Amino acid sequence: KQEVTQIPAALSVPEGENLVLNCSFTDSAIYNLQWFRQDPGKGLTSLLLIQSSQREQTSGRLNASLDKSSGRSTLYIAASQPGDSATYLCAVSSGGSYIPTFGRGTSLIVHP
Amino acid sequence: DTAVSQTPKYLVTQMGNDKSIKCEQNLGHDTMYWYKQDSKKFLKIMFSYNNKELIINETVPNRFSPKSPDKAHLNLHINSLELGDSAVYFCASSQGLPGGFTDTQYFGPGTRLTVL
Repeated sequence: KQEVTQIPAALSVPEGENLVLNCSFTDSAIYNLQWFRQDPGKGLTSLLLIQSSQREQTSGRLNASLDKSSGRSTLYIAASQPGDSATYLCAVSSGGSYIPTFGRGTSLIVHP
Repeated sequence: DTAVSQTPKYLVTQMGNDKSIKCEQNLGHDTMYWYKQDSKKFLKIMFSYNNKELIINETVPNRFSPKSPDKAHLNLHINSLELGDSAVYFCASSQGLPGGFTDTQYFGPGTRLTVL
């Protein structure tokens, strides 16, 4: 059974810092991995999708890497801004039905 | 334009009642989902539908019955509501393989269900 862990659970940083959020998973036979952002009281917004054959994906100030062999993904946020404050969730699709398993998220606060 | 919409946004009801949550997507996707996020923010898949057909039912009690009148709509009907059903329910959609989960998922804003 796939298990997904996100560290840290919460993070508070001053504006401008570069950040690394971590996601680890127990079964390396994955189909893809997605990073989502969830704002309070709202749905999830997909940030980056990495297929199992890929090593990383980039979108603006965000970069996500995938190392299947070690069961890890990192989400790098460059030059953080207060608007980046949200909960970041990692989801791994695996198994015959590709059902996603979500981590519990990292709650990020970027203060001015 | 809203891509995935859900109604209602909030739903407060008594134990034992029957309620429905509606979901619509205007993205032209073939696959739609229902997720449950509990009080500890843990998000778990409930159902996956592809082109009106049930693909995945993740050990959800049969009090929960999804209904898909067409591929743009996936409604969730819940019978005999229990206290433990209190959660936020998210609808989502994606393109890709019939089983879903292979492409980017687009989520609705969620419905917060409170059972008293």
